[in-house]
Amino acid sequence: AQSVTQPDIHITVSEGASLELRCNYSYGATPYLFWYVQSPGQGLQLLLKYFSGDTLVQGIKGFEAEFKRSQSSFNLRKPSVHWSDAAEYFCAVGFSGGYNKLIFGAGTRLAVHP
Amino acid sequence: GAGVSQSPRYKVAKRGQDVALRCDPISGHVSLFWYQQALGQGPEFLTYFQNEAQLDKSGLPSDRFFAERPEGSVSTLKIQRTQQEDSAVYLCASSVTSGDYNEQFFGPGTRLTVL
Repeated sequence: AQSVTQPDIHITVSEGASLELRCNYSYGATPYLFWYVQSPGQGLQLLLKYFSGDTLVQGIKGFEAEFKRSQSSFNLRKPSVHWSDAAEYFCAVGFSGGYNKLIFGAGTRLAVHP
Repeated sequence: GAGVSQSPRYKVAKRGQDVALRCDPISGHVSLFWYQQALGQGPEFLTYFQNEAQLDKSGLPSDRFFAERPEGSVSTLKIQRTQQEDSAVYLCASSVTSGDYNEQFFGPGTRLTVL
């Protein structure tokens, strides 16, 4: 069965430090992969997505993610974190069936110290 | 405006009451999804509409949950005889067409608390 694992429930970094959020997936075919961010009281916002091609994808707000098929991973990175990046981050797999039903991980909550 | 809107934003219900949650998708969007997000968890798929047709309701947790989209735009998620385990944030998302590549745009959610 398809599943997504985000091993880190909570991460704290200092402002200006680099960030990597981990995501592992289980899926029988080539996955469609997504990272969303959720701020308090806000809906989920898409940061970036991977469908095929270049395994390093760029997203909004300076985020990037790398798809590694051999490790079944799609980790999210940012070279320098800003205080406004504090939020919850969700990795998701799109279930290919003609309408992109999403399967989400449990999320990683990011706190940023000044 | 145009993002996805949901109402009410907060709903408190006594156990056993029926509730109705509304989703206004982005105008013209063909696809509409409902997800349930329990506290501390990621969203979980409930159901999918393509226009007015409900093509997938595999995620609805029980027959107390019912969703409709009669005219292919606004959708309502109804929960009958609410239970405490129904407490969650209910998220609605829409995308411009069907198909695997389309970004889903999410609403802010309705937080349901069942006492």
